[in-house]
Amino acid sequence: NAGVTQTPKFRILKIGQSMTLQCTQDMNHNYMYWYRQDPGMGLKLIYYSVGAGITDKGEVPNGYNVSRSTTEDFPLRLELAAPSQTSVYFCASSQRVREGFKNEQFFGPGTRLTVL
Amino acid sequence: AQSVTQLDSHVSVSEGTPVLLRCNYSSSYSPSLFWYVQHPNKGLQLLLKYTSAATLVKGINGFEAEFKKSETSFHLTKPSAHMSDAAEYFCVVSDPLLSGGYNKLIFGAGTRLAVHP
Repeated sequence: NAGVTQTPKFRILKIGQSMTLQCTQDMNHNYMYWYRQDPGMGLKLIYYSVGAGITDKGEVPNGYNVSRSTTEDFPLRLELAAPSQTSVYFCASSQRVREGFKNEQFFGPGTRLTVL
Repeated sequence: AQSVTQLDSHVSVSEGTPVLLRCNYSSSYSPSLFWYVQHPNKGLQLLLKYTSAATLVKGINGFEAEFKKSETSFHLTKPSAHMSDAAEYFCVVSDPLLSGGYNKLIFGAGTRLAVHP
C-alpha cells in the first residue's frame, strides 16, 4: 500500500493565483483531513470529510474549498492565493471512529506552498 | 475544552543519554493520546498511542510514554538517544465522543529534539 500520497511536493504561487492540492489514500478510510502547519506551530485543521460527498469546516477554513467525490480522493482548492496561505499542507486519513476505539491518523508527506 | 501543552520547545541531548519530552493535556473525557514524529521535510509518523489498555505505552524506535491521569501528563521517554532521533515531536490529544463523530486531533506546538555527538 502507498498509504496517503500528496501532489505536488512543492509549489510557488503568485498572489491571486489558484491551485488544487491533490490527496489520495488507498487504505479505504472513511475519514480524510486537511491540515496546515505554519513555522514553529502544530497542525491546524482546515477541512475534513467523513465519507464521499460529505465535508465540513475545521478550525481555519477561510480561503479554501474541498470536495470528496470518491472514498480515495480529497483535493484542497485555493481560489485566490494570499501570502498568509504560505504553509506546509498535510493530508491525512483514518478509519471510521467507533466509540471507545482510538484511531490514529495516517499522514501524507506534505506539500510546501509559497505565495509571493 | 481540549488542549495540549508541550512544556519545552527545544530539547538538546548528547547521543547515548536519556530523552524526556514533556506533554500535559486537558480533556474532559477519557482521551486518546498520541505522539507523532516529524523528520525534516517529511510527513508525520505515529510513534505510539495510548489505548487505555496499559498506562505505559511502548512505541517504535525504543520510545515509550506513560499516561498519568492524576497529573494529566503523557511524557515521552527513551533510555538512550540516537543521532537519528533528531526531529520534531508532537503530542496529540483526541476526544472522539466530544468531536462531533470524527477523529478531531488537537496538536501541541511541538518539541524540537537535537542530538549531539
